[in-house]
Amino acid sequence: SQKIEQNSEALNIQEGKTATLTCNYTNYSPAYLQWYRQDPGRGPVFLLLIRENEKEKRKERLKVTFDTTLKQSLFHITASQPADSATYLCALITDKLIFGTGTRLQVFP
Amino acid sequence: EAQVTQNPRYLITVTGKKLTVTCSQNMNHEYMSWYRQDPGLGLRQIYYSMNVEVTDKGDVPEGYKVSRKEKRNFPLILESPSPNQTSLYFCASSFQDRGTDTQYFGPGTRLTVL
Repeated sequence: SQKIEQNSEALNIQEGKTATLTCNYTNYSPAYLQWYRQDPGRGPVFLLLIRENEKEKRKERLKVTFDTTLKQSLFHITASQPADSATYLCALITDKLIFGTGTRLQVFP
Repeated sequence: EAQVTQNPRYLITVTGKKLTVTCSQNMNHEYMSWYRQDPGLGLRQIYYSMNVEVTDKGDVPEGYKVSRKEKRNFPLILESPSPNQTSLYFCASSFQDRGTDTQYFGPGTRLTVL
């Protein structure tokens, strides 16, 4: 069956460290993958899009990788700050947009 | 300011009482959609619309209706709400119908059906 998996357990890291979140999928062949940030009680906010022929995409302190062989995307936040604390969602684009359940990131001072 | 607005933000109702959640965007987007978000299930698409008078079912359309009479508005209608429709609802819009374009989400509507 088709599945998108993000770590359901919260990721707790210390301020200044690099946070790495994982998005794994099975039985999909996405042409694109997006990452969103969602704060409690608010709508998701788009962060980055990466295409299947791109290995890596960067935006300020954010970096996304996309490995279609491993069927995995990694989302990195370098020099993390408490303000980065939120839930991060990955979304695959096939013939439609399919969201993962998200991973909650908590950055401690 | 570019935005997607939803109303109401919070709603408590009873089983069977028809309700409408409004959604409006000011970005001249062609594509609009509705999602529901439930713990452990993530965001699931209910309905989408690629343009005025063009709507189609998403993954979980049962119990919902939509209409797209104007480009900016995309209301979600629950004709006879049931408790299993208690959820957090989001409207979203984008220029294109594929996910290659940035999806702009509204602030959400938390619905409780008693």
